[in-house]
Amino acid sequence: AQSVTQLDSQVPVFEEAPVELRCNYSSSVSVYLFWYVQYPNQGLQLLLKYLSGSTLVKGINGFEAEFNKSQTSFHLRKPSVHISDTAEYFCAVTPGGGNKLTFGTGTQLKVEL
Amino acid sequence: NAGVMQNPRHLVRRRGQEARLRCSPMKGHSHVYWYRQLPEEGLKFMVYLQKENIIDESGMPKERFSAEFPKEGPSILRIQQVVRGDSAAYFCASSPITGGGYEQYFGPGTRLTVT
Repeated sequence: AQSVTQLDSQVPVFEEAPVELRCNYSSSVSVYLFWYVQYPNQGLQLLLKYLSGSTLVKGINGFEAEFNKSQTSFHLRKPSVHISDTAEYFCAVTPGGGNKLTFGTGTQLKVEL
Repeated sequence: NAGVMQNPRHLVRRRGQEARLRCSPMKGHSHVYWYRQLPEEGLKFMVYLQKENIIDESGMPKERFSAEFPKEGPSILRIQQVVRGDSAAYFCASSPITGGGYEQYFGPGTRLTVT
């Protein structure tokens, strides 16, 4: 079985500042990793995913994430946030070849002026 | 290409009633997943279906919950005799192929409130 930990439930940050949202996972098998964003009262949208290859993954809206196998982490970063980035961010994993996503509890990113 | 569609978007039921949630996957997608999001929690997998088949229902509560994905028409998540604890957002996702890290595309969700 897999599990995902997002230690930060809320992250406040000022506009144009950098941000990092942390994600750690646990699994006995190799996994694929995902970051999704959820805007209020909407469904989830994929930001980026790591399947294999380069450990630095670039996604939409200027986000990127780095897979670190030794630390079992997949932290999400953005060098300069915008007000429109205010949303809930979910890290998720699925076993390689698997079909169901296991989500973390989410991190609420609040960007302030 | 329309995205994943779910209806209704909001559903209010009194305790003991039945709730039916519908999901139309993206065109060309034959794999459907249902997830539940309780307040202040992440999404939890419930069931994975292909047309006319339940592939994995390991996340479904043993009683009162059922799901189907018929040959024609949307996928249905059915909750019988709802209780207050069923109040949650229910999300449907679809993918063209399963496994291999293929993206699951999510619908806007159905927010169920049990009074």
